[in-house]
Amino acid sequence: DAKTTQPPSMDCAEGRAANLPCNHSTISGNEYVYWYRQIHSQGPQYIIHGLKNNETNEMASLIITEDRKSSTLILPHATLRDTAVYYCIVRINNAGNMLTFGGGTRLMVKP
Amino acid sequence: ETGVTQSPTHLIKTRGQQVTLRCSSQSGHNTVSWYQQALGQGPQFIFQYYREEENGRGNFPPRFSGLQFPNYSSELNVNALELDDSALYLCASSLPPGANTEAFFGQGTRLTVV
Repeated sequence: DAKTTQPPSMDCAEGRAANLPCNHSTISGNEYVYWYRQIHSQGPQYIIHGLKNNETNEMASLIITEDRKSSTLILPHATLRDTAVYYCIVRINNAGNMLTFGGGTRLMVKP
Repeated sequence: ETGVTQSPTHLIKTRGQQVTLRCSSQSGHNTVSWYQQALGQGPQFIFQYYREEENGRGNFPPRFSGLQFPNYSSELNVNALELDDSALYLCASSLPPGANTEAFFGQGTRLTVV
């Protein structure tokens, strides 16, 4: 799996959009970008994934650059409950649950 | 709630002992993986089971072993426990490899080795 680079921490004001960047400059053509988050003392939670098109679901939006070397996870209206460590992972889709977690970004949503 | 349940939630063992952790996968999921998460770090992949066979392994020694049962539940066994084995152990289940889907994680088992 390609390696990813994320800032170690970010702050966001409650109610504002949180934009979490991820660099994956060595991503291969068949690798997807996945985002998970882990709230303190809980198991990681799937957020969203995509290959090359932008994706949106009820939790977040994923913007992938045209060259696929970076992406941004957007939480449109951050709440205090969104405080968590966010992990960006790239992987091929026949890998099952074999995920390579990096250090992630610790997002602190502040009142 | 993901439907993935792990037991026990907490466990204290002595160095040199053996431990068995258990995981029940989400209904319909036949692929189970185990992860080790040390304090302050991201989860590290241990191994994955599909159709009762190991089909992927991370950089962990042979004293970490596992089983998957016909009902897709799974066990993680660790022999000769070391102090550095103290961690949160996470189980994840999903549809078969190749399916374009996500992994669902349990809440984990917190293992402390003293």
